[in-house]
Amino acid sequence: QKEVEQNSGPLSVPEGAIASLNCTYSDRVSQSFFWYRQYSGKSPELIMSIYSNGDKEDGRFTAQLNKASQYVSLLIRDSQPSDSATYLCALYTGGFKTIFGAGTRLFVKA
Amino acid sequence: GAVVSQHPSWVICKSGTSVKIECRSLDFQATTMFWYRQFPKQSLMLMATSNEGSKATYEQGVEKDKFLINHASLTLSTLTVTSAHPEDSSFYICSARSLARTYEQYFGPGTRLTVT
Repeated sequence: QKEVEQNSGPLSVPEGAIASLNCTYSDRVSQSFFWYRQYSGKSPELIMSIYSNGDKEDGRFTAQLNKASQYVSLLIRDSQPSDSATYLCALYTGGFKTIFGAGTRLFVKA
Repeated sequence: GAVVSQHPSWVICKSGTSVKIECRSLDFQATTMFWYRQFPKQSLMLMATSNEGSKATYEQGVEKDKFLINHASLTLSTLTVTSAHPEDSSFYICSARSLARTYEQYFGPGTRLTVT
């Protein structure tokens, strides 16, 4: 079992809709959780960090964390074509490494 | 804040030569730096992790004598690809993490290496 699982997609949503991206993880001691956005040909960009159970909102983005169920999700409201990218889920469990998922490709259709 | 720079952004070199890539954290001290490689349409692949003043820890399958990493200070790490071959052509991305920023990891813009 992979440490971080994401559906590779592509996830296709119409412009203006809510895009829901999900991530499950296997290590119960995971402490910190992150979402990155990576445009094609570019490096990843940190867009959200979440450390405790519940929701965290930042503009059109909402991260949701449920440690008991071991999942973290990212909601993008009012999706725009410029949101089309690969979204990487990542988690820090202590030590030196941050573990990254393989990413979910999102397409927002105009 | 939390800016990581990388230089050069792209480089073309001849087979057999060496290439050095610099990674700098501009506005924070990076206790840990990472080097990744990414081939087109593939996932990030961690090559090595380094802590300031310590030897880098390489991932399985990554040749430490070919990919030399030096984390000379809390703001600078370098990756040298020695005796480059066409199969080393890839997108190399550095990343830095600061304990002061609750383990958030920030990426540089990447270096596209082409070996001819």
